[in-house]
Amino acid sequence: KAGVTQTPRYLIKTRGQQVTLSCSPISGHRSVSWYQQTPGQGLQFLFEYFSETQRNKGNFPGRFSGRQFSNSRSEMNVSTLELGDSALYLCASSLTGDVLDIQYFGAGTRLSVL
Amino acid sequence: AQTVTQSQPEMSVQEAETVTLSCTYDTSESDYYLFWYKQPPSRQMILVIRQEAYKQQNATENRFSVNFQKAAKSFSLKISDSQLGDAAMYFCAYRRGYTGGFKTIFGAGTRLFVKA
Repeated sequence: KAGVTQTPRYLIKTRGQQVTLSCSPISGHRSVSWYQQTPGQGLQFLFEYFSETQRNKGNFPGRFSGRQFSNSRSEMNVSTLELGDSALYLCASSLTGDVLDIQYFGAGTRLSVL
Repeated sequence: AQTVTQSQPEMSVQEAETVTLSCTYDTSESDYYLFWYKQPPSRQMILVIRQEAYKQQNATENRFSVNFQKAAKSFSLKISDSQLGDAAMYFCAYRRGYTGGFKTIFGAGTRLFVKA
């Protein structure tokens, strides 16, 4: 069974641009969560989707948004990029979205904002 | 707000020895879940072990075990018979459920070095 796939693996953008990251969960998984990982802040929760609905959101500005499609694939979008958005963005999927469910992580997308 | 603190940015252990990674958390909730994740240099995070707060018995997975002290809000990870492949970043995480969902909060991580 294929794991969680995130594309692209690396991205370089300039300030003010927008970016879209993609996450394909493990087949059959319905919950997708997104995290931002930086050396200074560690891993921070962005949002969680289940069956195309955003169920929870972290403390990020409205420039960060996401969505989930009917096949459970998810995208996150960051508009008006800032230097501080440079980070590793991780996606994790789980089968049922239950609180005790195991989350499987992708390898991440490394975003560099110049 | 819930917080997770890992006070050891780096730890080092000799191969075949035992090492303990510390984690404390702050919450006013009584029902929650705790996890240790491993992130090797290749970056893909994997679950090491998990603990339900309502269970008093400490979780164990092969060479990995936890010392869960609910009153002290402490959740340490013990790695026995350390192997070179254990070298990685280790993250402690707290998760609680909300109506229809959950949210996970991670600590800052501890980088573990294993010496041959």
